[in-house]
Amino acid sequence: DAGVIQSPRHEVTEMGQEVTLRCKPISGHNSLFWYRQTMMRGLELLIYFNNNVPIDDSGMPEDRFSAKMPNASFSTLKIQPSEPRDSAVYFCASSIRRQEQYFGPGTRLTVT
Amino acid sequence: GESVGLHLPTLSVQEGDNSIINCAYSNSASDYFIWYKQESGKGPQFIIDIRSNMDKRQGQRVTVLLNKTVKHLSLQIAATQPGDSAVYFCAEVRGGSEKLVFGKGTKLTVNP
Repeated sequence: DAGVIQSPRHEVTEMGQEVTLRCKPISGHNSLFWYRQTMMRGLELLIYFNNNVPIDDSGMPEDRFSAKMPNASFSTLKIQPSEPRDSAVYFCASSIRRQEQYFGPGTRLTVT
Repeated sequence: GESVGLHLPTLSVQEGDNSIINCAYSNSASDYFIWYKQESGKGPQFIIDIRSNMDKRQGQRVTVLLNKTVKHLSLQIAATQPGDSAVYFCAEVRGGSEKLVFGKGTKLTVNP
């Protein structure tokens, strides 16, 4: 079975540009999570969806960040405009059992 | 000012020894406690969970112990192998939510 799929795996962009990260959850999973991981702050939950509906976006840093889940098999996390401090590894995870989340391989974002 | 990154606690063991990784939690309302393993360059991977009404749970080569009196969680790995080298995170799920709150992590290094 394919696990959680994320694209791109690596993204290098210049400050001010728009960045879109993509995620395909595991088929049949009804919850989807976006995390950010940095050395300074560790692993932080940004937002999560249940049955395609955003449930908790309290971790989204600011209005530059937005996330959508138009259907059960696709989600995006957008940063516009991007800033150097957004550089991090962004993980998508999905679950059907709330304590057991399946993480994707991550997108390493570098904003110069 | 100068930024300071997370300084992960580290544990170094010899191959074949048993490992014990510890975690303190703060929220008595959490109803599940979970251990995740993150290998270099990969997303976190679920290892084992324990409900808050249990003291001990065993898996394959792993045992999780929960001490609610002192709010302490531990992961024991038997006969540690080089493939166990990774960062281990404890996480908690608070009642009524799907939101995982991750700890800072412990880096385990297994020496051959």
